[in-house]
Amino acid sequence: AQSVTQLGSHVSVSEGALVLLRCNYSSSVPPYLFWYVQYPNQGLQLLLKYTTGATLVKGINGFEAEFKKSETSFHLTKPSAHMSDAAEYFCAVSRNYGGSQGNLIFGKGTKLSVKP
Amino acid sequence: AAGVIQSPRHLIKEKRETATLKCYPIPRHDTVYWYQQGPGQDPQFLISFYEKMQSDKGSIPDRFSAQQFSDYHSELNMSSLELGDSALYFCASSLVAGASGNTIYFGEGSWLTVV
Repeated sequence: AQSVTQLGSHVSVSEGALVLLRCNYSSSVPPYLFWYVQYPNQGLQLLLKYTTGATLVKGINGFEAEFKKSETSFHLTKPSAHMSDAAEYFCAVSRNYGGSQGNLIFGKGTKLSVKP
Repeated sequence: AAGVIQSPRHLIKEKRETATLKCYPIPRHDTVYWYQQGPGQDPQFLISFYEKMQSDKGSIPDRFSAQQFSDYHSELNMSSLELGDSALYFCASSLVAGASGNTIYFGEGSWLTVV
């Protein structure tokens, strides 16, 4: 069975500092992995996803994540935080391999705060 | 670009009442998903439909039902509402055979408050 663990429910960084949000997964099949961002009172926006191929995935807003099978990790990074990055970030893994990937298991979320 | 449209955006109901949420997927998307996100919680998958047939089922209560219509919009019907049903309900859509690699796109959500 698939599962997702996000380490740290709250992360605070200074503006311009590196952002690192941690995600570890468990999957019995090759995983499809996702990072979503949710701003207050808004929907979920896809930042990036990994299905197959290149393990370093680049997403929107300068974010990227690296799939490391040996570590079962899919950490999200951004070299320089911006105030507008303050939001909640969810890591997710698809329950299904192939076909429809929309049945997602989400982590508990990490709230990112950015200090001026 | 057109996004997933959900209505109503906010809904207040009393206990034991019935509520219906509507979802209009991105044009040409054939699959719709419903998620429930309780306050401070992660989203939980409820149910999905592909080409108007139920394709997957998650933690949807028996009091809830859903369907996808011929125009691909979907409705989530919730009966005998309980206080614990208060949540943000997301609809998402995707094109299973699309070049986007089945990326799912979420709507803004419908806030249901049960009082």
